[in-house]
Amino acid sequence: AQTVTQSQPEMSVQEAETVTLSCTYDTSESDYYLFWYKQPPSRQMILVIRQEAYKQQNATENRFSVNFQKAAKSFSLKISDSQLGDAAMYFCAYSLDNTDKLIFGTGTRLQVFP
Amino acid sequence: DTAVSQTPKYLVTQMGNDKSIKCEQNLGHDTMYWYKQDSKKFLKIMFSYNNKELIINETVPNRFSPKSPDKAHLNLHINSLELGDSAVYFCASSRRSLAEETQYFGPGTRLLVL
Repeated sequence: AQTVTQSQPEMSVQEAETVTLSCTYDTSESDYYLFWYKQPPSRQMILVIRQEAYKQQNATENRFSVNFQKAAKSFSLKISDSQLGDAAMYFCAYSLDNTDKLIFGTGTRLQVFP
Repeated sequence: DTAVSQTPKYLVTQMGNDKSIKCEQNLGHDTMYWYKQDSKKFLKIMFSYNNKELIINETVPNRFSPKSPDKAHLNLHINSLELGDSAVYFCASSRRSLAEETQYFGPGTRLLVL
């Protein structure tokens, strides 16, 4: 079965500091896609970053970057220079190349303190 | 301009009732989805439609019936509502393959069954 595990139910960080959210997944496939979504209190699901499994280079989007370790099946999200607006639930998700469904982890609630 | 919209945003109803949630996307996407987010924030796919054709049905009770009148709309009808149906329901859309991009989510519909 394909699963996504986020072992940190809650994390906190000081404003302007860096935080890393962990995610591991389980698959026997070689072609897949990985995503991090942010869900603020407004409930809207917002894509933060995506990574194609065939790319060795880690994806980055401004203050957000990932550490993709394919052999270890690990896909952590690093948020640099944390801002108050980064406070939200963060979901790691995975999708096989030949399907359209996203399989989500259980989420990590991130608090940002001033 | 809202990309994926859902109505209503909130729905409070009695057990046993029948209700519908509507979803529309103006992105020209071929594929639409329904996800359910339970009280523990776990997000799970329910259905996926591609060009009005059912692609994914994740063993959802047959009280749930999705209907796609055209590829821009995917409605969710729920018969004989039960307490356990209380959740947030998200509609999403994407191009045919997640290889090209990702899924765009609607704002969610919070359903409360009393």
